[in-house]
Amino acid sequence: GEDVEQSLFLSVREGDSSVINCTYTDSSSTYLYWYKQEPGAGLQLLTYIFSNMDMKQDQRLTVLLNKKDKHLSLRIADTQTGDSAIYFCAERPAGGTSYGKLTFGQGTILTVHP
Amino acid sequence: DVKVTQSSRYLVKRTGEKVFLECVQDMDHENMFWYRQDPGLGLRLIYFSYDVKMKEKGDIPEGYSVSREKKERFSLILESASTNQTSMYLCASSLEFTGGEEIGNTIYFGEGSWLTVV
Repeated sequence: GEDVEQSLFLSVREGDSSVINCTYTDSSSTYLYWYKQEPGAGLQLLTYIFSNMDMKQDQRLTVLLNKKDKHLSLRIADTQTGDSAIYFCAERPAGGTSYGKLTFGQGTILTVHP
Repeated sequence: DVKVTQSSRYLVKRTGEKVFLECVQDMDHENMFWYRQDPGLGLRLIYFSYDVKMKEKGDIPEGYSVSREKKERFSLILESASTNQTSMYLCASSLEFTGGEEIGNTIYFGEGSWLTVV
């Protein structure tokens, strides 16, 4: 079945850039998502990228997709303490019977220290 | 804004009890999902529903059942709660998947229900 992998921890200094990486196995993925989860809260959609794109930029967020290597990354520029959270990568397969099910990675805990 | 509401944020139940987790969405979405979240494992799909009274098993359905009698409401049922079902449960909903690049393909999540089984 589909598999999505992320490293579990990332620690950065405030003001630096953060790069969170994700690999996936399903070559039929249509959308790839980044969600953010703050303590005690649900998941908030940060951004998504369609599989025919290589890059998407949205303010401080840059998503890079290498479809050949099945590698997705999220770069957060000028990381702030408010960016400390768990970041989930997720993929959505193609096909009408998928009904929009997502396969999630394990989540990367981003810690931003002063 | 889309709203997915999980009525119970924190529950403590005894082993063997029947547990109901309720989820309501207000955007007329066709698809609804129940995930559980455990540290280091990410989110795993328990069940999903693509229409009223329709349900499909996800990756970890054992020990759970679901009910979707109305389009806006999707309930997760633990018939006989066990300690290994202590977890955070997340409900989500989305429009019917059309395959295009519309934002409507986004999946929206509730705030989560923390369940402790003792």
